Amino acid sequence: AQSVAQPEDQVNVAEGNPLTVKCTYSVSGNPYLFWYVQYPNRGLQFLLKYITGDNLVKGSYGFEAEFNKSQTSFHLKKPSALVSDSALYFCAVRDPNAGKSTFGDGTTLTVKP
Amino acid sequence: GAGVSQTPSNKVTEKGKYVELRCDPISGHTALYWYRQSLGQGPEFLIYFQGTGAADDSGLPNDRFFAVRPEGSVSTLKIQRTERGDSAVYLCASSLFAGYETQYFGPGTRLLVL
Repeated sequence: AQSVAQPEDQVNVAEGNPLTVKCTYSVSGNPYLFWYVQYPNRGLQFLLKYITGDNLVKGSYGFEAEFNKSQTSFHLKKPSALVSDSALYFCAVRDPNAGKSTFGDGTTLTVKP
Repeated sequence: GAGVSQTPSNKVTEKGKYVELRCDPISGHTALYWYRQSLGQGPEFLIYFQGTGAADDSGLPNDRFFAVRPEGSVSTLKIQRTERGDSAVYLCASSLFAGYETQYFGPGTRLLVL
């Protein structure tokens, strides 16, 4: 069985500061890992994914994530937060042998001016 | 290009009624997924199709839930004898293929069972 944990329900940062949204996972074999963002009353928007290769993955809107196999983590990062980054962020894991994704319960990011 | 679309955007029904939720995937995407999202939680997998066939329906909660994709494009999620606990946002996603391809999500259908 595959699972995802997002240990923080909420992350607050000041605009211009770096941000980190944490994600740990459990899956048999090598995982496929994804980050999505959800704005109010909108669907999930894809940010980035890790499939294989370089552990540092760069995605949309200046976001990046680092895959750490030994810690089974895939934390989302951004060097300088914007107020417009305030949203709900979801981490997801997929077993390469399965089509379905398992999502965490989300982390609400609030960036204050 | 056009993204995943879902209709209706909102559906209010009474307990015991039958509902159908429709999903139009991105053109050319062979894989289609249904998820359910309750308030304060992440999307929960229901079923996915590769082409016309259901490749994995392990997430369907019970036999009141059924989904079809007869021509390998549009899909319909059908819920019989709706219950108040079925109230949630139903999300559809599609991807070029299954496996490592990115799943692109529609805006969802918000279902409220009174």
